[in-house]
Amino acid sequence: DGGITQSPKYLFRKEGQNVTLSCEQNLNHDAMYWYRQDPGQGLRLIYYSQIVNDFQKGDIAEGYSVSREKKESFPLTVTSAQKNPTAFYLCATTRGYGYTFGSGTRLTVV
Amino acid sequence: GDSVTQMEGPVTLSEEAFLTINCTYTATGYPSLFWYVQYPGEGLQLLLKATKADDKGSNKGFEATYRKETTSFHLEKGSVQVSDSAVYFCALSELRAGANSKLTFGKGITLSVRP
Repeated sequence: DGGITQSPKYLFRKEGQNVTLSCEQNLNHDAMYWYRQDPGQGLRLIYYSQIVNDFQKGDIAEGYSVSREKKESFPLTVTSAQKNPTAFYLCATTRGYGYTFGSGTRLTVV
Repeated sequence: GDSVTQMEGPVTLSEEAFLTINCTYTATGYPSLFWYVQYPGEGLQLLLKATKADDKGSNKGFEATYRKETTSFHLEKGSVQVSDSAVYFCALSELRAGANSKLTFGKGITLSVRP
């Protein structure tokens, strides 16, 4: 079955550490997105990529970085510069209007 | 810029009650409108969509009509079930030439249905 896989499901980060969240898709979709979800704030766009080797900042890109070396993969790195990284992170892909979401990664700072 | 406004929550209903969740939007062009549902600990699933004025999206007993004159896309269900308990997001996207669409979300509303 085609789909989108996020890993790990739960991730714990110490203060000052960088961590990378994985997002892999086999839907052959061109566009991929990273959203951050906080209680009561909905989903906010971090980064998105329309094609391989190209990506754009979303609304809250500070403290995050991404790469798009392959069509199937769009990893998100949460750097130590992100002051409040505890959140639920969702990856999505689309071709046109329809979005497919992964099951998310819950990141907690300890 | 584009924005989506949802009614404040949470909402708690008894089983078989009627549900309405309000959603209004602001957009520069002619957007497509969506309702997504999120069950605990999971990602988002598309519930229904509408791509032009007066279109009605429907799925699993839920309905929403694209009202351009009131810039609204309210979600309704005639008889909710306990299994409908989830977070519901209204969203819009504007498909621009040469680019895949970005989704703009409302803040979401938590629905709890008690037996």
